[in-house]
Amino acid sequence: AQSVTQLGSHVSVSEGALVLLRCNYSSSVPPYLFWYVQYPNQGLQLLLKYTSAATLVKGINGFEAEFKKSETSFHLTKPSAHMSDAAEYFCAVSGWAGSYQLTFGKGTKLSVIP
Amino acid sequence: ETGVTQSPTHLIKTRGQQVTLRCSSQSGHNTVSWYQQALGQGPQFIFQYYREEENGRGNFPPRFSGLQFPNYSSELNVNALELDDSALYLCAGQGEGSTEAFFGQGTRLTVV
Repeated sequence: AQSVTQLGSHVSVSEGALVLLRCNYSSSVPPYLFWYVQYPNQGLQLLLKYTSAATLVKGINGFEAEFKKSETSFHLTKPSAHMSDAAEYFCAVSGWAGSYQLTFGKGTKLSVIP
Repeated sequence: ETGVTQSPTHLIKTRGQQVTLRCSSQSGHNTVSWYQQALGQGPQFIFQYYREEENGRGNFPPRFSGLQFPNYSSELNVNALELDDSALYLCAGQGEGSTEAFFGQGTRLTVV
């Protein structure tokens, strides 16, 4: 069984400030971990993924995430927020259990204050 | 550009009706998955097809069914629509053995 918990349904940061979105997971198989971004009325765009290679993963738009097995975490960070980062962010886990289905968290809405 | 397109983008149906949602994925996406995203929630896995066979199913009743075709297109069918079926339905394509899913823009279904 797999599950994802995203701490904070809504996070607000000032433009130029650090972005930190938290994700903890549980998985009975070695996990693959993902962060997706969703802009209003759109589908999901992959930001980055962890697939058991480097624990620090760099993604698009300046985002990165670190896989910490001991903490079962995969937090998303960006050093300096931009207005265009305002969106909803979803953490997801998958692992081979017959199919690579994704289990998503409930999402964190990021607001960027000018 | 994800290579996955869904139609229609919006749809309004009446309770009790049936609906078919369509997805077209790029060549090589042998696996297609469908997800339901209720308002304010994360996407929930409905089912997955691999080479035209169902390959996994989430906690959804049998009135949710699907098909995958050899040309990398697929359908999601929902019978006896209920008000709670109102949601954004997302289709995702994956290449052979790939862990990465590419999502379409979704179909917004409203049941009244």
